Amino acid sequence: EVQLVESGGGLVQPGGSLRLSCAASGFTFSSYWMSWVRQAPGKGLEWVANIKQDGSEKYYVDSVKGRFTISRDNAKNSLYLQMNSLRAEDTAVYYCARELGIAAAGPFDYWGQGTLVTVSS
Amino acid sequence: SYVLTQPPSVSVAPGKTARITCGGNNIGSKSVHWYQQKPGQAPVLVIYYDSDRPSGIPERFSGSNSGNTATLTISRVEAGDEADYYCQVWDSSSDPYVVFGGGTKLTVL
Repeated sequence: EVQLVESGGGLVQPGGSLRLSCAASGFTFSSYWMSWVRQAPGKGLEWVANIKQDGSEKYYVDSVKGRFTISRDNAKNSLYLQMNSLRAEDTAVYYCARELGIAAAGPFDYWGQGTLVTVSS
Repeated sequence: SYVLTQPPSVSVAPGKTARITCGGNNIGSKSVHWYQQKPGQAPVLVIYYDSDRPSGIPERFSGSNSGNTATLTISRVEAGDEADYYCQVWDSSSDPYVVFGGGTKLTVL
């Protein structure tokens, strides 16, 4: 059974940092592109970043470029999101999601349960 | 950036057919994916590549895509279908290149 379990969320002050983790199991993690998708309270879904199977390609939404870094450790079946210089508008539930297929641009076929990040003083 | 437009809400009586639209410039040339999200839960993929259904998704869910509109159709609507629905595309010429629609709240009357 495919499972994605996020952790690392919490309350952080504006300008602070947080590192999210996503533990994957039930599939060959190193064979898939992976993404982070977020959802602000009461709002819609917003894609944040994704990373290629070997970590050689990474893409970000404009609003997080230069502040967030996506990475992965295939030996540990884990996906990460390092978030620096956090702003109030980064407050959201962050989901990790698997991209169906070998190439990018597939649908998100599995999602974690999400971890809440709250940026507030 | 590429924009996907969904109606904020759609209402339907049980047993009837619900149609949720997703508008975008020449969206028919792109692959559209649809997600269902119930309160407090993660999204679930219900339709991918315009009209394919993942295993476990009822046949009542179907999709189409042509011109400037993609449509998610839910036949014989049940109370359990009440949820938010999001369309999504990948657009390599857009930034961001993963785009979600604003979401549609389906209410079962």
